[in-house]
Amino acid sequence: GENVEQHPSTLSVQEGDSAVIKCTYSDSASNYFPWYKQELGKRPQLIIDIRSNVGEKKDQRIAVTLNKTAKHFSLHITETQPEDSAVYFCAAQTSGNTPLVFGKGTRLSVIA
Amino acid sequence: NAGVTQTPKFQVLKTGQSMTLQCAQDMNHNSMYWYRQDPGMGLRLIYYSASEGTTDKGEVPNGYNVSRLNKREFSLRLESAAPSQTSVYFCASKGRTNEKLFFGSGTQLSVL
Repeated sequence: GENVEQHPSTLSVQEGDSAVIKCTYSDSASNYFPWYKQELGKRPQLIIDIRSNVGEKKDQRIAVTLNKTAKHFSLHITETQPEDSAVYFCAAQTSGNTPLVFGKGTRLSVIA
Repeated sequence: NAGVTQTPKFQVLKTGQSMTLQCAQDMNHNSMYWYRQDPGMGLRLIYYSASEGTTDKGEVPNGYNVSRLNKREFSLRLESAAPSQTSVYFCASKGRTNEKLFFGSGTQLSVL
């Protein structure tokens, strides 16, 4: 089955700096790669996703890149703000009928 | 719309006790999921139901049972709770044509 590795497990950045979180997946058939943000004590919520026919997607300060050949994808957050502090999860899915497989998460701390 | 509703929000059990976690969604979603979240372990799939009338095991099904009562409701039962089942449990659902996963607010379960 699919296996998703996520690095780093913790990340601290200064406010205004960029943050990058990386994930690798094992199943070359995976074609959907979402990112979820979980604030302390809250539920995970989708912040951005990318499909296998796209190499990069941006939404304001966040972007996701996908390298299908290398089977890895990354989340980029620019101009970080204290409200970006949260746990971020990457995930992969092979088809609409299969469950998402999540990485173990990255705890991002943005220091003011 | 309430989205995905989970009950209870908190529960303390003694070893060997049983309980059922309830989950309901009002978005007419076909697929429903139960995840557990432990520190450093990410979100691990316990069971899922791809459609009404079907259930399948996920990554960590031992010690749990599920029931897809109807299209709206998907319950998770612990027959004989163990301390290893202390965790935060999330129910989630998604529709047929959209991969976005909607999470409930979570149940914090402690087994003493």
